[in-house]
Amino acid sequence: DTAVSQTPKYLVTQMGNDKSIKCEQNLGHDTMYWYKQDSKKFLKIMFSYNNKELIINETVPNRFSPKSPDKAHLNLHINSLELGDSAVYFCASSQDGSADTQYFGPGTRLTVL
Amino acid sequence: GQQLNQSPQSMFIQEGEDVSMNCTSSSIFNTWLWYKQDPGEGPVLLIALYKAGELTSNGRLTAQFGITRKDSFLNISASIPSDVGIYFCAGRPSNTGKLIFGQGTTLQVKP
Repeated sequence: DTAVSQTPKYLVTQMGNDKSIKCEQNLGHDTMYWYKQDSKKFLKIMFSYNNKELIINETVPNRFSPKSPDKAHLNLHINSLELGDSAVYFCASSQDGSADTQYFGPGTRLTVL
Repeated sequence: GQQLNQSPQSMFIQEGEDVSMNCTSSSIFNTWLWYKQDPGEGPVLLIALYKAGELTSNGRLTAQFGITRKDSFLNISASIPSDVGIYFCAGRPSNTGKLIFGQGTTLQVKP
């Protein structure tokens, strides 16, 4: 069974479109995260939710809006996609907000044309 | 923002050789973690360190939490082809709940 799953695996879209990436974890964890990995493989946290509540919100454009319908799901919606949004987006989860052992999903490779 | 300096950026070694990589920070960290990322996959946790001076092994991997709490290293002994990948250090600063990642070390192993 996959612990942290993301859909889709690949996403190719045109500039200006709106798209969503979904994430689900079946580990029973309270905290979920979104990371962005750029072309140089640098990983940077974007958001963190603890039990559906936003606890970390890095300097990310307002076009990015996370939504957590329940603690097992954290989706990422992106409006008005730009070329610079092209990257691999990783979802992760941990037992709680102070836990350091984070489990990552397989990633979603977003390409904006 | 806070940054981790991870080195080397890349390594190309012969199978059987030992590997060493390290991370340094300008500020004190409470936790150091080492992850490995295979192509097309997410990072997988290898070793977690929680106390200054702590030395932990996981098979052929050994990592240490620096005494100053500002650095950590990872050693891989007797490398094999499946060790290929990108290794990331990550740390949690004492004043925040988020992880900061290093730039990664790309390891290639020649059979």
